[in-house]
Amino acid sequence: EDKVVQSPLSLVVHEGDTVTLNCSYEVTNFRSLLWYKQEKKAPTFLFMLTSSGIEKKSGRLSSILDKKELSSILNITATQTGDSAIYLCAANAGGTSYGKLTFGQGTILTVHP
Amino acid sequence: KAGVTQTPRYLIKTRGQQVTLSCSPISGHRSVSWYQQTPGQGLQFLFEYFSETQRNKGNFPGRFSGRQFSNSRSEMNVSTLELGDSALYLCASSFLPSGGPLNEQFFGPGTRLTVL
Repeated sequence: EDKVVQSPLSLVVHEGDTVTLNCSYEVTNFRSLLWYKQEKKAPTFLFMLTSSGIEKKSGRLSSILDKKELSSILNITATQTGDSAIYLCAANAGGTSYGKLTFGQGTILTVHP
Repeated sequence: KAGVTQTPRYLIKTRGQQVTLSCSPISGHRSVSWYQQTPGQGLQFLFEYFSETQRNKGNFPGRFSGRQFSNSRSEMNVSTLELGDSALYLCASSFLPSGGPLNEQFFGPGTRLTVL
């Protein structure tokens, strides 16, 4: 069965700190890994990483896929209180896994002023 | 471009009743996936529809069903509600012009279902 594990489950930092969130996956016929940010509403798409795109960056956020270690990290530099949210990692398998994302438990990030 | 919309946003039902939730994908998106989110289990995949066909289904009982219409709008139905069905139900749409591998999924705001 496909599995995604995130760590840490929660993290408390102060504004300006840099954080690294981890995600490991065990997915048959792995195709892509996605990161989402969830506040008190729907998950918001951040990045999708695939074999042809193992590193993505957007502003203070960046993500890397390590296909050898079956893992990914999400980095947030110069954190702000608005970064407080649940960060979700999800993996997609190829083949007949149409439309299916397997999600990790999420990392709850709290950024204090 | 409008995002994914879901109706209703909140629902309160009693055990044994049935419920229908609606999802309108982003214009041009033909793939719609449904997820159940609970504090204990997190986000779990229910099913995916593309061009009015269910292509994939998660490990949920047959009480959970869905369908997709020709305009890509989708509905999911839960019959004989149980207390454990209380959850946030999220739908996500994806632009798959040829129905190929998963692309980015964009989520709607969800329907919060409470079963009493």
